[in-house]
Amino acid sequence: GQSLEQPSEVTAVEGAIVQINCTYQTSGFYGLSWYQQHDGGAPTFLSYNALDGLEETGRFSSFLSRSDSYGYLLLQELQMKDSASYFCAVSYGDKIIFGKGTRLHILP
Amino acid sequence: DAGVIQSPRHEVTEMGQEVTLRCKPISGHNSLFWYRQTMMRGLELLIYFNNNVPIDDSGMPEDRFSAKMPNASFSTLKIQPSEPRDSAVYFCASSHAGQGSYEQYFGPGTRLTVT
Repeated sequence: GQSLEQPSEVTAVEGAIVQINCTYQTSGFYGLSWYQQHDGGAPTFLSYNALDGLEETGRFSSFLSRSDSYGYLLLQELQMKDSASYFCAVSYGDKIIFGKGTRLHILP
Repeated sequence: DAGVIQSPRHEVTEMGQEVTLRCKPISGHNSLFWYRQTMMRGLELLIYFNNNVPIDDSGMPEDRFSAKMPNASFSTLKIQPSEPRDSAVYFCASSHAGQGSYEQYFGPGTRLTVT
């Protein structure tokens, strides 16, 4: 089976940098995705790591290490609008399985 | 593009009633997914289709749940009979199967309340 672990909540200050970790116990997956979900909204795709290493998209970066069964999402220059839940998800080619999500609180 | 369309956005029904949720995927996407989200269980994959064919329904909770995709532009998720524990937000998502489905586009969801 699959298992993904994320912290349930993280708090950071506006303008700062925050890292949201994701550890997994699974095998045979294609890659690791990250999604953002605002309260009352739908999940939206942020990034995908098929290979080990860092992928950068603007203020957001995502990292994957298959040898460590670990990945993270890095958010820089935090803005209040980044307050949301963030989900890591493992891709199995034709479907993805989501973690329980991390609620990011941003303090002014 | 209008994105994934779901209806209704909100549904309140009494226990024992039949509920039908509807989804129109993004044109050209050939994979469609139904998810259920609750605080306790998170975002659960219920069933997904490739080219209108159900591939994996192992996430469907029980026989009260059924899903169909009669054509590439329409899918339904039916609960009959509904129970209070079915209360949740139900999302439909679509993607290009060729991209490994790692980038999925979600509809706005249907918030179901069963009393």
